[in-house]
Amino acid sequence: ETGVTQTPRHLVMGMTNKKSLKCEQHLGHNAMYWYKQSAKKPLELMFVYNFKEQTENNSVPSRFSPECPNSSHLFLHLHTLQPEDSALYLCASSQDLVSNSNQPQHFGDGTRLSIL
Amino acid sequence: KQEVTQIPAALSVPEGENLVLNCSFTDSAIYNLQWFRQDPGKGLTSLLLIQSSQREQTSGRLNASLDKSSGRSTLYIAASQPGDSATYLCAGLSGGYQKVTFGIGTKLQVIP
Repeated sequence: ETGVTQTPRHLVMGMTNKKSLKCEQHLGHNAMYWYKQSAKKPLELMFVYNFKEQTENNSVPSRFSPECPNSSHLFLHLHTLQPEDSALYLCASSQDLVSNSNQPQHFGDGTRLSIL
Repeated sequence: KQEVTQIPAALSVPEGENLVLNCSFTDSAIYNLQWFRQDPGKGLTSLLLIQSSQREQTSGRLNASLDKSSGRSTLYIAASQPGDSATYLCAGLSGGYQKVTFGIGTKLQVIP
């Protein structure tokens, strides 16, 4: 149990569907992150939130829309995805922004997304 | 732009052997270097974090070192066990870019 819970664990969707990924952390952390992990590629940072405010959007296409209603919850809304978006999407949290501290990130187990 | 490389991509060793995993980075202005473990179908578990002012960190059978001048970090695993089988990733936080850059990882298999 890492303290970061992601749902669903697996998701298959068509290119025209709309779905959402959910992340919840029970660690009292202030910063939350979305990463994309594709086969044979390094983790790619997508979005960063600190105290519910987005601090970084790493040139992510608009078909990915993040939402952070509070410091414990993070969503990733998906619409009109492409086959190349199939990947493992990982959520992470840290006490403070990693760029401002030496606190480690805690990861959830991810959502395996497949686009048909 | 920071780039992180891990070699080899895969490693297979017999149980009980000591081993070293390598990580190299291009930007020596690194703020910290973190090692993670990832089991199949799971997220990342933080193992060790070395700050730029430190040269190494130890946790149980694991020892991680950091040499900023050469742009290298190593993860030493002593007396390997089958339960150590996983993918090990390193990630560097670059002071100049304020973001974490990950390597692709080394997939380790410890054979009983």
